[in-house]
Amino acid sequence: DQQVKQNSPSLSVQEGRISILNCDYTNSMFDYFLWYKKYPAEGPTFLISISSIKDKNEDGRFTVFLNKSAKHLSLHIVPSQPGDSAVYFCAAKSGDDMRFGAGTRLTVKP
Amino acid sequence: EADIYQTPRYLVIGTGKKITLECSQTMGHDKMYWYQQDPGMELHLIHYSYGVNSTEKGDLSSESTVSRIRTEHFPLTLESARPSHTSQYLCASSGGNQPQHFGDGTRLSIL
Repeated sequence: DQQVKQNSPSLSVQEGRISILNCDYTNSMFDYFLWYKKYPAEGPTFLISISSIKDKNEDGRFTVFLNKSAKHLSLHIVPSQPGDSAVYFCAAKSGDDMRFGAGTRLTVKP
Repeated sequence: EADIYQTPRYLVIGTGKKITLECSQTMGHDKMYWYQQDPGMELHLIHYSYGVNSTEKGDLSSESTVSRIRTEHFPLTLESARPSHTSQYLCASSGGNQPQHFGDGTRLSIL
């Protein structure tokens, strides 16, 4: 049973535009959410997170939005850069239980 | 610069062989994890450890075993490899409430 879903396997955007990556979850017990970025032949690296007590967290070009009522979170990258091209994984935690989505491959075209 | 190291990075080996995938971290983290990931799929937790001499199975059934004799070392062993074990194996560690920090993975192919 997949508790964290990233329904878009891929996304392509133009350099300088906004990238929006989406994630849905089913377990209302999740109270902490993370985004990881993965380049080919490397492990995932932590990007940004948000606690369930917030609805927005911003770090430079990256902003994560959380809509608890819809069990939905999104990652916004503005402006997108070619170096942002990678696979982005959404993850959700409840205590020590962490579940990952299947990832969205973002391609930023120059 | 990686603080968590996995070896080998790539391994192609025949069916029936015993395999050990190594994972070491230099951050002094108590918690360590092994994930299995197939292309286009989510990461599945197969083993975790909260400290020395503590190991637990994750939510994905796995024929592998792990040990945690030292804080920094969390090897994963397959006693008899099969083609169904072909996958990418990712090791991670975390301290306190910090996000998990991943190694670069081992891509395993069983012929």
